[in-house]
Amino acid sequence: QSALTQPASVSGSPGQSITISCTGTSNDVGTYNLVSWYQHHPGKAPKLMIYEATKRPSGISNRFSGSKSGNTASLTIFGLQAEDEANYYCCSYTGTSLYVVFGGGTKLTVL
Amino acid sequence: QVQLQESGPGLVKPSESLSLTCAVSGYSISTDYWWAWIRQPPEKGLEWIASVYYNGNTHYNPSLRSRLTTSVDTSKNQFSLTVTSMTAAETAVYYCARQPSAGAWSFDYWGQGTLVTVSS
Repeated sequence: QSALTQPASVSGSPGQSITISCTGTSNDVGTYNLVSWYQHHPGKAPKLMIYEATKRPSGISNRFSGSKSGNTASLTIFGLQAEDEANYYCCSYTGTSLYVVFGGGTKLTVL
Repeated sequence: QVQLQESGPGLVKPSESLSLTCAVSGYSISTDYWWAWIRQPPEKGLEWIASVYYNGNTHYNPSLRSRLTTSVDTSKNQFSLTVTSMTAAETAVYYCARQPSAGAWSFDYWGQGTLVTVSS
């Protein structure tokens, strides 16, 4: 069982928006803004999409947006495109000797 | 273009040690970044294993600490991981990644991963 809870799957049609949640605790997501999100197409290298909860790395489309409220972080993808179909993982700093934990992953299907 | 490439044995027997290497290209390993190991068992989530700085400073997952050894070879621009006493439950895809700083705890470049199967 992963430390952060994500829905196993979400889906949406091209052009729609979807949101993936990532629920932690007051010991990780709730206290630190050090939440990151990764896109993973199977067989390829995972890709950083969001860091520090809301920031986009250079080159990442502004269709991807991160937010956080309380113990839950969220990744919203606007204007879904076929190439967005992938697995998405969240990650949070914990402030403990474990340092960082991941979510179990969410499979996004573009219908 | 930063690229990371893992290499390893693919198959390890239970109780034996796993040794992996991550070759970094497009960026010098001897700079202000940390370098991490992360794994993903089949059908499960990601698990952080360790982070290492080029000067030898390390952070280890406490559940694995007693079985881990890491090293950095700046002359070859690569870093390595050894895990002793492997079990079948540690069958996983092992990734290496770049971590912007000890305080950032995000991973901005990853390798494609290498599958390690623990089986007799």
